[in-house]
Amino acid sequence: GQQVMQIPQYQHVQEGEDFTTYCNSSTTLSNIQWYKQRPGGHPVFLIQLVKSGEVKKQKRLTFQFGEAKKNSSLHITATQTTDVGTYFCAGSIQGAQKLVFGQGTRLTINP
Amino acid sequence: DTGVSQNPRHKITKRGQNVTFRCDPISEHNRLYWYRQTLGQGPEFLTYFQNEAQLEKSRLLSDRFSAERPKGSFSTLEIQRTEQGDSAMYLCASSFWVSGANVLTFGAGSRLTVL
Repeated sequence: GQQVMQIPQYQHVQEGEDFTTYCNSSTTLSNIQWYKQRPGGHPVFLIQLVKSGEVKKQKRLTFQFGEAKKNSSLHITATQTTDVGTYFCAGSIQGAQKLVFGQGTRLTINP
Repeated sequence: DTGVSQNPRHKITKRGQNVTFRCDPISEHNRLYWYRQTLGQGPEFLTYFQNEAQLEKSRLLSDRFSAERPKGSFSTLEIQRTEQGDSAMYLCASSFWVSGANVLTFGAGSRLTVL
């Protein structure tokens, strides 16, 4: 079945450092979404990418969708303590209506 | 609208008992999803509804699990004869599906502990 893998599982950085998490799918995706889950909270939608090679930015966050639509990345520039949480990618394949989540990358930050 | 509401927020039960969780989605959303999340893992798909129709159910879901969405509004997830392995956070999410976009809004979840 469809699998979505994320690396790394954990990342600890100093405040101000950059952070990147990578997402890989075993199958070609129709779209990919990113969610953030704060400690003790629930996943909250960040962004959706649909087109091959698409790049979107939200302030310090940059999201990319691979040319083959099988991988994606999230890059945070100059992390802040408010960025703490677990970042999940979630993808769906053509014709399927469920989102398959990766296992997430937990980001912790040393102030 | 206050978002997706789930009840109860916490449930502690003994092995073998039945439990039921309720989800009230955002009113204008036509899709409702149930996911299960254990510590350190991503949400795992269980099932989803479009209006009142249950369109997909995970093969990982045993026959002890059943979900309903009568009248296409709120949904319930029942677990019969609970086992310790059922301990998890049960997340409900709703969405308004349009072509090419299916953004999920999650509720706060119902945490189940099976003793």
